[in-house]
Amino acid sequence: AQKITQTQPGMFVQEKEAVTLDCTYDTSDQSYGLFWYKQPSSGEMIFLIYQGSYDEQNATEGRYSLNFQKARKSANLVISASQLGDSAMYFCAMNSNYQLIWGAGTKLIIKP
Amino acid sequence: DTAVSQTPKYLVTQMGNDKSIKCEQNLGHDTMYWYKQDSKKFLKIMFSYNNKELIINETVPNRFSPKSPDKAHLNLHINSLELGDSAVYFCASSQDPGLARAEQFFGPGTRLTVL
Repeated sequence: AQKITQTQPGMFVQEKEAVTLDCTYDTSDQSYGLFWYKQPSSGEMIFLIYQGSYDEQNATEGRYSLNFQKARKSANLVISASQLGDSAMYFCAMNSNYQLIWGAGTKLIIKP
Repeated sequence: DTAVSQTPKYLVTQMGNDKSIKCEQNLGHDTMYWYKQDSKKFLKIMFSYNNKELIINETVPNRFSPKSPDKAHLNLHINSLELGDSAVYFCASSQDPGLARAEQFFGPGTRLTVL
């Protein structure tokens, strides 16, 4: 069955450091997409970045990049030069059967 | 202009009452969703509609009934509210979910508190 695993319930990172949030997935589909969303304390869900299973290059969006390792079925989110405003919940998701399968999330706290 | 809007943002009500949450999207998407986010932040899909047709109906008590008058609107009606219904409810929309890249755009959420 399709599944998303985020093994880090919480992380503390010093401001300006890079941070990697882990995400592994399980699917038998050949074509699939992987997504990362951010949920700050204000509650809204913000789409960050997308990686397609056939994309040859890792996706990047500003300070966000996705370390996609297809053989290992991992899609880790890398945030460079972290900022205080990056403190939030981060969710990894994968599309399957006309819906998104969601991970349990990682709570990231950036320390000044 | 807000892409996906929900009303109300907060809803506080007594057990046993019936309430509705409204959702509208102006993105021209064909598919809309309702999610429940519990206190541990876990997101659970409840329903999905594509062009006013129900395509996903997860194991949800039948006290919850979605209604889609047109493809830009998906409302959620909840009968006989229970304490366990307290959560944040998110509406979302996307293009064809059969596409690999069909990111979902979320509304601001409705925080429901049942007393």
